Amino acid sequence: DQQVKQNSPSLSVQEGRISILNCDYTNSMFDYFLWYKKYPAEGPTFLISISSIKDKNEDGRFTVFLNKSAKHLSLHIVPSQPGDSAVYFCAAPQPTFGDGTTLTVKP
Amino acid sequence: EAQVTQNPRYLITVTGKKLTVTCSQNMNHEYMSWYRQDPGLGLRQIYYSMNVEVTDKGDVPEGYKVSRKEKRNFPLILESPSPNQTSLYFCASSSAMGRGPDEKLFFGSGTQLSVL
Repeated sequence: DQQVKQNSPSLSVQEGRISILNCDYTNSMFDYFLWYKKYPAEGPTFLISISSIKDKNEDGRFTVFLNKSAKHLSLHIVPSQPGDSAVYFCAAPQPTFGDGTTLTVKP
Repeated sequence: EAQVTQNPRYLITVTGKKLTVTCSQNMNHEYMSWYRQDPGLGLRQIYYSMNVEVTDKGDVPEGYKVSRKEKRNFPLILESPSPNQTSLYFCASSSAMGRGPDEKLFFGSGTQLSVL
């Protein structure tokens, strides 16, 4: 049974607007999460992480929110830029990856 | 430059012909692992190694072998490849696996394998 789910395979937003990528998990024992970004023909690269003792972590245009009661986290990108177009993976400890969401930011 | 190096980038082979995909990291990381990425299935772990001479199965180990004789190298071996092993493979390493939000992985650029 998949422990980390990204239910939206793709997302398209206009440049300058907010991108919101969602991730749900099933194991309440998970105590931290990471997001990775992947461009075509490259390996994934670490983007941002969050510990379960926090409900928010911010790094520049990227903010991750964690709702432990709902077992849900989201990645916000504000403002979105065309260079943000990539596949985004949510990951739980060990790590366990979601299937990824392909973000397209249109100029 | 700190990096994880995989070779080859592209490989076409035939069923049953043994092959090895090499992986090397220059960051002195203890943890190394292999993943495969298939459409709609995300990244699935094949094998991982917490340190030299220590390897463990991941989620999809069937048909694969690994070895960790040196800290920097973690080759992936397909003794008898089959078409269902056609996939995009990634090697990764980490210095902080299991240590909380710092357990970020550093990935290689990937190996696209086609088994005919």
